[in-house]
Amino acid sequence: DAKTTQPNSMESNEEEPVHLPCNHSTISGTDYIHWYRQLPSQGPEYVIHGLTSNVNNRMASLAIAEDRKSSTLILHRATLRDAAVYYCILRVPPGKAAGNKLTFGGGTRVLVKP
Amino acid sequence: GAGVSQSPRYKVAKRGQDVALRCDPISGHVSLFWYQQALGQGPEFLTYFQNEAQLDKSGLPSDRFFAERPEGSVSTLKIQRTQQEDSAVYLCASSVQGVSPYNEQFFGPGTRLTVL
Repeated sequence: DAKTTQPNSMESNEEEPVHLPCNHSTISGTDYIHWYRQLPSQGPEYVIHGLTSNVNNRMASLAIAEDRKSSTLILHRATLRDAAVYYCILRVPPGKAAGNKLTFGGGTRVLVKP
Repeated sequence: GAGVSQSPRYKVAKRGQDVALRCDPISGHVSLFWYQQALGQGPEFLTYFQNEAQLDKSGLPSDRFFAERPEGSVSTLKIQRTQQEDSAVYLCASSVQGVSPYNEQFFGPGTRLTVL
């Protein structure tokens, strides 16, 4: 299975953008890039996903490198509520049993300073 | 609407006791997953159900761990003869269906198990 590499932690000031990198140099051509985050004392929650093109939703943006070997989750204006552990996860295509489960790494712990 | 619920939220067990952890998925969700999260680590997959069928149990760490979902809705994770290394947060997640990479998983708050 392709693996992801993320920094252990990052700090940001409130209302400033946060750029969270993820390296996945062994990604296959059909693996999807998903991001989940886990707030303190809660279960993980879905943030965003993409395949090749950049994606935007109400929570964040996902920028995917042209060679797909890395991606960046962008929180445009960090709030105190965005303090969490952010996980970058690769998911295999449908039809493969391994695609059903999420394989989490260590994630990046984001600290937002007021 | 109601999300995934888990009970109990906290469980303390003496080493050697059996425990049962319950998960109520979102109504209508076909797929149900169990994960184990040790302190300071990311969640690790344990097992997966599609309706009542357990399609993947490759993550169960030993034969002391058993999961069931007899009617395709509520699921129970049972741990027999608990050991200290079983101490962790047990997370349940559900999704509409599990075969597409698009389908997000919705997680419950977890059950924190402490084995003394």
